[in-house]
This record gives sequence, C-alpha cells and structure tokens, in this order.
Amino acid sequence: NAGVTQTPKFQVLKTGQSMTLQCAQDMNHNSMYWYRQDPGMGLRLIYYSASEGTTDKGEVPNGYNVSRLNKREFSLRLESAAPSQTSVYFCASRRTGNTIYFGEGSWLTVV
Amino acid sequence: RKEVEQDPGPFNVPEGATVAFNCTYSNSASQSFFWYRQDCRKEPKLLMSVYSSGNEDGRFTAQLNRASQYISLLIRDSKLSDSATYLCVVPPYGGSQGNLIFGKGTKLSVKP
Repeated sequence: NAGVTQTPKFQVLKTGQSMTLQCAQDMNHNSMYWYRQDPGMGLRLIYYSASEGTTDKGEVPNGYNVSRLNKREFSLRLESAAPSQTSVYFCASRRTGNTIYFGEGSWLTVV
Repeated sequence: RKEVEQDPGPFNVPEGATVAFNCTYSNSASQSFFWYRQDCRKEPKLLMSVYSSGNEDGRFTAQLNRASQYISLLIRDSKLSDSATYLCVVPPYGGSQGNLIFGKGTKLSVKP
C-alpha cells in the first residue's frame, strides 16, 4: 500500500533556485497538507487543501505556493529558495475527521 | 495558554519503567485527540486516538481530562523500541477539514 508518496526525498538547492515537491495519495482523501519540521519548532503547517480545487494558507506560507492538481496530488513550490527554507517537508492527507497520514518526508537543504 | 503544549523532555527512563506524558490544549470545544509517534528521521505515525475519557492498547493508555483540558499518555513496561518523540495532536474547533494542531513533541529515551 503506497499511502502518501512524496518526491524527492533529498534535494540540495542553491539560493534563488526554484523547485517543486510532489505529493500524491492513493487513499481517496479529501484533505491534503504540507508541513515543515525544524528542530525545536515542531510541525508547522505551510498550506493545506480541504478539497480538490481549494487551498488555504497555514502558519508559515511565505515563500511557498501550492497546487491541488486533482484529488490525488498536492504540490509545493519554492519559487526562489532561501537558506531559511532548509528543513524537512512532510506531505500528509486525511479523510474528514479521521487519522492523518504522512509521507516519508523530503529533506531540503538550501545553500 | 498556547493551543497545544507538551513538555519537550527528554524523558530518560530505564527499561521496564512506567512513564507518562501530558499535553494541555486551549480549545475547550475539541472533541477528539491523537497521539502520534515519530522516530528519528521518520514521519509521524498514529499511535492512539482519544475520543472520550480514554483509550488503552496493550502497554499504552491515553486519557482525556476535559475539565482540566489535558490528555495524557502512559507507557508501562517501557521497551528500548519505545524511544521516540511523542506528538500530541488536537483538531481545530469544528474538527473536520481544518488544520490539525500539533504539539512540539516529547522525547522519550529508554535505556538498557
């Protein structure tokens, strides 16, 4: 069972470069999320999508854009990467009221 | 009070010990709660759900105290494999689609 799949797992970017983190879920969940996790900061929500066609800002949206391409896919884009965006990024999905499932994480370093 | 607060630890306990973590929350309307476990360099995974007064699963017991607005996680007979960070999760007011609120986690280290 694939669950939530995110790519790439590791990425090194130079400051100012752009990239897109891809996420797909095969559980027919309505809601999808992008979090970042930094030491001592816990999980912080970047953006979420309650359903196909909708997206909302979370706690730390600056510097990011998202696209809910269809029910399965939710991508996160860094238009101009900054060292402050060095982090571990987790995609997640959830059916209404139920458990949230996470992808394995994407380790991003911006130099 | 912050939306969700946890003692960051670390809790260093010997094998076989009983250890308990608390998590306080601010939204008195929250109906359901979750404990997640996160191993080092891994994604968080559901450990237990708490929908009413409590829930028990083997060595793990989660309890809810609505009056004092906290949930607890009790681990009995700790194993080395229990070493991880435990995250408390609270849905937003109204539950459903909105942002889940994660605590920063409590780190547990079980020593031989």
